[in-house]
Amino acid sequence: DADVTQTPRNRITKTGKRIMLECSQTKGHDRMYWYRQDPGLGLRLIYYSFDVKDINKGEISDGYSVSRQAQAKFSLSLESAIPNQTALYFCATMGFRDQQETQYFGPGTRLLVL
Amino acid sequence: AQKITQTQPGMFVQEKEAVTLDCTYDTSDQSYGLFWYKQPSSGEMIFLIYQGSYDEQNATEGRYSLNFQKARKSANLVISASQLGDSAMYFCAMREGMDSSYKLIFGSGTRLLVRP
Repeated sequence: DADVTQTPRNRITKTGKRIMLECSQTKGHDRMYWYRQDPGLGLRLIYYSFDVKDINKGEISDGYSVSRQAQAKFSLSLESAIPNQTALYFCATMGFRDQQETQYFGPGTRLLVL
Repeated sequence: AQKITQTQPGMFVQEKEAVTLDCTYDTSDQSYGLFWYKQPSSGEMIFLIYQGSYDEQNATEGRYSLNFQKARKSANLVISASQLGDSAMYFCAMREGMDSSYKLIFGSGTRLLVRP
């Protein structure tokens, strides 16, 4: 089973709709992240969380909100989706492997806003 | 100014040959980390290799090695003995400073195509 899972994997929605992307992890990591990727660009950070009581804005948080329901769950919401939020969204956790810091990414959610 | 620069939008390499993907970074911090990720056409992000700024030796992971030149602020990825399955997007990323958030800043990526 994957360590970081995202649901849904693909989503088509209409402008103005509220949608939620969910992320779950089995690695026991405290730090979780949401990124978006646009064609031809690298990943940009939307929000991140250290634990259930700690939520922080990233580089491009406008138009998004998050909820850390538990250590293992970190959800991203688009309150009123707009077409320029069409992108590939990644959830990630941060941990250590062989004493090296590593971010573990989920498989991504492809979102299309019409 | 861009924090992470990948100047090669696309690269070709012949199967079984080595290839170097360039990455330069900009930071004033003394402690930072550099990462490379692979993104195949299926879209997932696969961690390849990590280099800490205080690591004296270049990182290696199987066929991947990181050519870390601190004074030049470069962290190039070297893939030896390229395979067809290496065709993918490759992203360089940096974690700045001792900020406990461990946020990553990504470059725009290099698309590598391995020719048979």
